[in-house]
Amino acid sequence: EIVLTQSPGTLSLSPGERATLSCRASQSVTSSFLAWYQQRPGQAPRLLIYGTSSRATGIPDRFNGSGSGTDFTLTISSLEPEDFAVYYCQQYGRSPPYTFGQGTKLEIK
Amino acid sequence: EVQLVESGGGLVQPGGSLRLSCAASGFTFSSYSMNWVRQAPGKGLEWVSYIRNSGTIIYYADSVRGRFTISRDDAKNSLYLQMNSLRDEDTAVYYCARARTDLYGGIYFDYWGQGTLVTVSS
Repeated sequence: EIVLTQSPGTLSLSPGERATLSCRASQSVTSSFLAWYQQRPGQAPRLLIYGTSSRATGIPDRFNGSGSGTDFTLTISSLEPEDFAVYYCQQYGRSPPYTFGQGTKLEIK
Repeated sequence: EVQLVESGGGLVQPGGSLRLSCAASGFTFSSYSMNWVRQAPGKGLEWVSYIRNSGTIIYYADSVRGRFTISRDDAKNSLYLQMNSLRDEDTAVYYCARARTDLYGGIYFDYWGQGTLVTVSS
């Protein structure tokens, strides 16, 4: 089973700044089967990125995913107030297990 | 608009049972595979179970296999999770999530419900 490790655990930034979130896999992720989700307090997770770099429907273009193999990154180019949340990466595939990272909390500085 | 609404959560004693439901609307439910994902209080996300749109293929996480049963009723646009032999560590918010398949056959989760809280405690 692939283990995903996200860093940092908490990222403190100000609105307008650029955020870079990391997700490292314990072994190579097949066919770029890597997704990112945003979870605001008290809300359900929301899909942001799938296939490493494809934005989901309705996701603003300030959210960008990149990476390959074992190292993946979610970049938010200019933070809006609503972007402060917890972000999870997930490796998926044609069959389980579908594993998540432990999350990165993006907080207002 | 895609909507997923979970229900059936509550307080149950260890060893007890509970049945969760997820009512789907805004899309052709029978065409989509579905999942259950849970989140323990203050913790991260854990995938629990998957059912193919046909109902013919089902997967479970090791932590629930043999205790939980996923099912669906396409006529009622509903997904279910029967949970038996519940343990303290099953305490979590349970989300139903719609599955999508990407160009390479990988399955990710594109819409999620708001979740229902299951508390296992004596």
